[in-house]
Amino acid sequence: KAGVTQTPRYLIKTRGQQVTLSCSPISGHRSVSWYQQTPGQGLQFLFEYFSETQRNKGNFPGRFSGRQFSNSRSEMNVSTLELGDSALYLCASSPILSSHEQFFGPGTRLTVL
Amino acid sequence: DAKTTQPNSMESNEEEPVHLPCNHSTISGTDYIHWYRQLPSQGPEYVIHGLTSNVNNRMASLAIAEDRKSSTLILHRATLRDAAVYYCILKEDMRFGAGTRLTVKP
Repeated sequence: KAGVTQTPRYLIKTRGQQVTLSCSPISGHRSVSWYQQTPGQGLQFLFEYFSETQRNKGNFPGRFSGRQFSNSRSEMNVSTLELGDSALYLCASSPILSSHEQFFGPGTRLTVL
Repeated sequence: DAKTTQPNSMESNEEEPVHLPCNHSTISGTDYIHWYRQLPSQGPEYVIHGLTSNVNNRMASLAIAEDRKSSTLILHRATLRDAAVYYCILKEDMRFGAGTRLTVKP
């Protein structure tokens, strides 16, 4: 069974731009969560989607948004990029909502200049 | 405020047991304790979770204190492939923190 895939793997943007990251969960998994990982703040939870609805949300500004499609694929969007948004963005999938075991993808490395 | 606290780093010799501690003194009665690890240049990987009783799986064991204010992840025989950052998190919070960087010496 293929693992979680994230595209693109690397991305460079400039301040003020917006970016969309994509995540394809493991086949059959219906829950997708997004995390931001930075050296200073560690790994922080952004949000979780299940059945195309956001079910849980972390403490991030409204510039961070996401959505999930009927095939469980998910996208995350960050608008008006700031330098501090430079991070590794990780996606994790699981078969059910709020599962104990999540399967993480390799991440998308976003650099904001 | 920190939900879990872990030592920044630990060292172990190959093929010896490793005990990774975690304090979670403000844990609620229904919150699960999870452990994940992150190998270099990879996303985190689930290791184990528990609520009250000690738990075992093919990767590790989890020992939970009777008052649930602390827990210990036990790797029975460390290998070089176990070198990673180990995160102890509470399911209700999902905040990973800095974790413990485990170094395994041959």
